Formats: sequence, structure tokens, C-alpha cells
Amino acid sequence: EVQLVESGGGLVQPGRSLRLSCTASGFTFGDYAMSWVRQAPGKGLEWVGFIRSKAYGGTTEYAASVKGRFTISRDDSKSIAYLQMNSLKTEDTAVYYCTRDSSSNYYYYMDVWGKGTTVTVSS
Amino acid sequence: DIQMTQSPSSLSASVGDRVTITCRASQSISSYLNWYQQKPGKAPKLLIYAASSLQSGVPSRFSGSGSGTDFTLTISSLQPEDFATYYCQQSYSTQITFGQGTRLEIK
Repeated sequence: EVQLVESGGGLVQPGRSLRLSCTASGFTFGDYAMSWVRQAPGKGLEWVGFIRSKAYGGTTEYAASVKGRFTISRDDSKSIAYLQMNSLKTEDTAVYYCTRDSSSNYYYYMDVWGKGTTVTVSS
Repeated sequence: DIQMTQSPSSLSASVGDRVTITCRASQSISSYLNWYQQKPGKAPKLLIYAASSLQSGVPSRFSGSGSGTDFTLTISSLQPEDFATYYCQQSYSTQITFGQGTRLEIK
């Protein structure tokens, strides 16, 4: 079964750091780009960033709201994607989803989602 | 960034109704448009990709159309399990953006 499981969420004080993990199973992890998407309480979906597969350089892109504070990385040997979050702000409070990014004829879409992990930034 | 605007923001409909949700991009995005369904407390689920391609396992009552800046998601005959929030998302730019969502409620 294709599956993504996020972990590492919790309560953290403003200005501190947290690292989320996304453990994949049921597919060849290294073949896919991976994204992080978040959802603040009662709000819509916000893309956080993604990491390309090694075949496409393993490079990253980030939303302006997190650029310079968040870093996405991957360990293909362990089938895990990470979201390192530094200098956290109260507005980073959200459920964080990990997604698998698939493509068809260069059209990209998020076809597998984890259940999410909750991050609460509060003093 | 490309702005995605959905309309309406909320919609009340009855089982069996035909429903259309619209998504407009602030610039042309060709067919780089995806649709997702989200139920309360659950992760989003991919319905349509590349504007009109039905994701495997999604019922055929869901369909998507459009290109350029204007797109629609149509549910041909609403079923009880379709009451949820729907999001469009563009993948034309590396700065991915979602619409604000359309909440579909039971009338």
C-alpha cells in the first residue's frame, strides 16, 4: 500500500525549531518529488515547498512565507523527507501534510497525502 | 505569484443536483490545474489533474474542464459523500498556489 506518515509535530515556543519527518512506503521514494503543504486552523491549504527527485537535481523551492526559515531535505536510502523549521512564528501553527508529487506529460500533481502532523507555535 | 480565485466560496445543494465550481487564475496557466477534495479532519484527496484528467479511482460523476485562466469542476449528480471542501491548485509555476476553497454543504 502506498503510504506517507508524518511525525515530529508538537508544541513549540516562538523562535524555536522543529523537524518534521515524512516516512514513505509502498513506492520507490527516490523517483518522486515530495512536497509539504500546511493548513492553519479553520483555513485553506498553503503550499510550503517541495524537493525534486535526485534525477532532477534534488533541488528545492519554497513559499515566500517560509523561505530562509524552512528547509526541505530527503534521505532516499530511508525513504524519508524532512521539513526543518527554524525561527518559528505563531502563524506557522498548522497541520502539516507531506505529499507525493507525480507527473503525467509534465503536468504535476499531489497524488498521495499523509494524514498530517500538528504543529502549534505558542508561548 | 499566481493567484487562484474560486467561486463560490460556499454552496448549498441537494443530493442529485449538478454542481459547478469555478477557479480563475491571475494569469494563464495552460492546463496546469488540479482539483482536490477535503473532508473535515481528513487529508485532501486528488480528484482531477491537468485540468480534465480523472484520477484513478475517482467516480466518473466528477469532471474538470478549462484552460488558460478559467476552469471548472463539475459534479454531475451529487452524492451524500461529496459534501466537502474543494480546492483548485496550479502547478504552472514553481511557486505553487491553491484557491481559497469552496465549501459544499447539504441544502
